[in-house]
Formats: sequence, structure tokens, C-alpha cells
Amino acid sequence: QQQVKQSPQSLIVQKGGISIINCAYENTAFDYFPWYQQFPGKGPALLIAIRPDVSEKKEGRFTISFNKSAKQFSLHIMDSQPGDSATYFCAASSIKTGGFKTIFGAGTRLFVKA
Amino acid sequence: NAGVTQTPKFQVLKTGQSMTLQCAQDMNHEYMSWYRQDPGMGLRLIHYSVGAGITDQGEVPNGYNVSRSTTEDFPLRLLSAAPSQTSVYFCASSRDGSYEQYFGPGTRLTVT
Repeated sequence: QQQVKQSPQSLIVQKGGISIINCAYENTAFDYFPWYQQFPGKGPALLIAIRPDVSEKKEGRFTISFNKSAKQFSLHIMDSQPGDSATYFCAASSIKTGGFKTIFGAGTRLFVKA
Repeated sequence: NAGVTQTPKFQVLKTGQSMTLQCAQDMNHEYMSWYRQDPGMGLRLIHYSVGAGITDQGEVPNGYNVSRSTTEDFPLRLLSAAPSQTSVYFCASSRDGSYEQYFGPGTRLTVT
């Protein structure tokens, strides 16, 4: 079964610190790696995404680092703020894997201390 | 645009009861999907649809039925509810299937 493994399960960071969440995948056919952010009581929302042809993508304080050979990617949140406290899901998908099935990681609960 | 809407927000069922979770989107997206979210397990795909009249199974389809008669609507049916189906259910839609998905606000279902 295709899997995306995410770590850590939970993370506590001081305000202004760097939050780092890691994911690893198995299927080399994946060609799209999004991160979703979910606040309590809400549905997930796309935060940032990367294709495997680049090693890094940055949007504001959020950066994805991608290591194709190691089949790993990570989310870095710079200058973490209390408003970043949420659950973060990494995911992987591909048109080639029999449709459009997106595989999600188990999620990381981030708490940023003020 | 309302985006993706889901009803109801909360539901309590007794074992063996049936019900339909409603999902609608107004973005003219061809692709729609249903996920369930359980603690420590992320989001797992139940069923998905690539257009009106076309549906397929995801990772955890047992106990659920879907149909897609229009582009806008994608209801999820629980035929005979079981406690194992206690979960939060999310509907999502996307323009091109594999990429950015837009999620609804979820339905929290409890089966006793």
C-alpha cells in the first residue's frame, strides 16, 4: 500500500522559532507534494506545494525542501507565530497512479507558544 | 462562491441506521472525493468521482456508497451505520483531480 510517513506527531515551538515537519514517501510515480493546514473545526486548506523538478519552494515564512533521491520532503515555518498553531498534513499524488488519489500523512499538531 | 458545502455539521446515529451526508460545490470542478479523518491516521480516501456518472473506490470504501448525478453534488451514503464509522467526514473537490483540493467544513458523525 502506498504510504506517506509524517513526523513528528506533535510539535511545540517558541514564538519566533523554526518549525520543521518531515515526510517520506515510497512511490516514485508521485509528482505533486502539497502541504495542507487545518485549524480546529475546519477543513484542510492548501498551504504550499512542490513538484519534484525543484528542490525548494518558498512562500513567505513557509518553505518546502524536497530530496528526490531520498524520497523525502519537509516543511519549514520560519519565525513561527501563535497563529500558525494548527495541524499540518503532507500529501502526495499523481495522475499516473490510477486516477487522482491523494495520499495523506498522519498529520502533525503544531503549537506555537507565545 | 460558497466553495464546498457539507450538511449536516453534526450527526448522531444508532448502529444499523442509514443516512446520507450531503456535499455540493459551486466551482464547476469535475473531481470530487470523500475522506474520513481519524486521530493519528490523517485523511483516508473513501470514494471519488472524476465526473458526473463516474465514481470509484478509494482506500476505505466498505460500508459507504456514492453516486454523482450532477457536477455539483456528491452525496455519501451509509447503508447500515457501525460504531467504526464514527469519524469526521470531509468532502473535497478539485479542478484537475490530482492537484489542489478544496475541502468542505466537515461532518462530525457519531455512531452509538
